[in-house]
Amino acid sequence: SQQGEEDPQALSIQEGENATMNCSYKTSINNLQWYRQNSGRGLVHLILIRSNEREKHSGRLRVTLDTSKKSSSLLITASRAADTASYFCATDAQGNKLVFGAGTILRVKS
Amino acid sequence: ETGVTQTPRHLVMGMTNKKSLKCEQHLGHNAMYWYKQSAKKPLELMFVYSLEERVENNSVPSRFSPECPNSSHLFLHLHTLQPEDSALYLCASSQDGPGGYGYTFGSGTRLTVV
Repeated sequence: SQQGEEDPQALSIQEGENATMNCSYKTSINNLQWYRQNSGRGLVHLILIRSNEREKHSGRLRVTLDTSKKSSSLLITASRAADTASYFCATDAQGNKLVFGAGTILRVKS
Repeated sequence: ETGVTQTPRHLVMGMTNKKSLKCEQHLGHNAMYWYKQSAKKPLELMFVYSLEERVENNSVPSRFSPECPNSSHLFLHLHTLQPEDSALYLCASSQDGPGGYGYTFGSGTRLTVV
């Protein structure tokens, strides 16, 4: 069953703007992960945040986790055309198996 | 290259054919996975292998048959597929352990069943 659900389904912004994507999940987790997928390619792991962490940074990426609301957000600052991709959150609610959401399609216009 | 290599990249097969997808990782990971990605649907977990033993089979039809001969190689054997099986098949690997780790994905095999 689908655990994570991303919001919005699609997002279109201008280069240089920030992009925020949200993920909600249903059951307790040990960690939540974000992945990027360029069209027709494999997924690339971006960042992992554990249930006892509230915020994590990696370059232009900032991830927050609110376990009380069962939600996470991914912020991409100063977006670039190369950030155009689909972004997925995934949770490990089912043991060591990641369950992915349907993803957010991000388009960054130059 | 991510460290997980999938072959072939593209495959067209008839419904009566038998083919195999191959996945190889040299990252020292001890768990490998097959996922199916269909258009406009979330990734579906098909099979999980941990320490070369299958630990998950998510109600996948028997026309899909996985094989994990060692910790570096994973196969997906296909036979008598249906057109609805056309999808991107993704292999991933990870280091299985407490706390969890990120998955490394291959580039996928784009399968078309005609």
